[in-house]
Amino acid sequence: AQTVTQSQPEMSVQEAETVTLSCTYDTSESNYYLFWYKQPPSRQMILVIRQEAYKQQNATENRFSVNFQKAAKSFSLKISDSQLGDTAMYFCAIQNTYNDMRFGAGTRLTVKP
Amino acid sequence: NAGVTQTPKFRILKIGQSMTLQCTQDMNHNYMYWYRQDPGMGLKLIYYSVGAGITDKGEVPNGYNVSRSTTEDFPLRLELAAPSQTSVYFCASSGTANTGELFFGEGSRLTVL
Repeated sequence: AQTVTQSQPEMSVQEAETVTLSCTYDTSESNYYLFWYKQPPSRQMILVIRQEAYKQQNATENRFSVNFQKAAKSFSLKISDSQLGDTAMYFCAIQNTYNDMRFGAGTRLTVKP
Repeated sequence: NAGVTQTPKFRILKIGQSMTLQCTQDMNHNYMYWYRQDPGMGLKLIYYSVGAGITDKGEVPNGYNVSRSTTEDFPLRLELAAPSQTSVYFCASSGTANTGELFFGEGSRLTVL
């Protein structure tokens, strides 16, 4: 079974600064996908960024980037130039088949003005 | 676009009552999912469907049932509600098998007293 661990229950960052959220995972599969989802106070989950395990290049989406270390099974999310709208729960997730996406417990990020 | 629509958003049940959470998507997605989110935990998969007429159990199916008579609708039924089913329920859909971009509804908060 796949597992995801997010060791930081809560984090905070000042507006315009950079923050990194940690995620480690475990899987016996060689091919899989990793994701970061954002859940703002409105509750609707939104995909932030996606990484395919067979790709060595780290994914980037505007201010969001990942540091994917396959050997270490680590998948951290870096948010640059943090904005108040980034305040949310962030979930790391892993999937190798359509019916088996596993989520971590989440990190609550607060961006302070 | 409406995306994924869940109803109701909030519901209080008494122990032993039954109810159905409705989920509709207008994106013509084949894959649909029901997750539950308990406080401080990641999402856990209850049931999923890969197309009309096909459903299967996820990680935590006990106490729930689903049906998929159309591509659009994927209702989740709770039979004989128990306090352990107090949670926030999310319906999600995807147009592809493994790319992981799930589109989520806004969630339904269910309390069983």
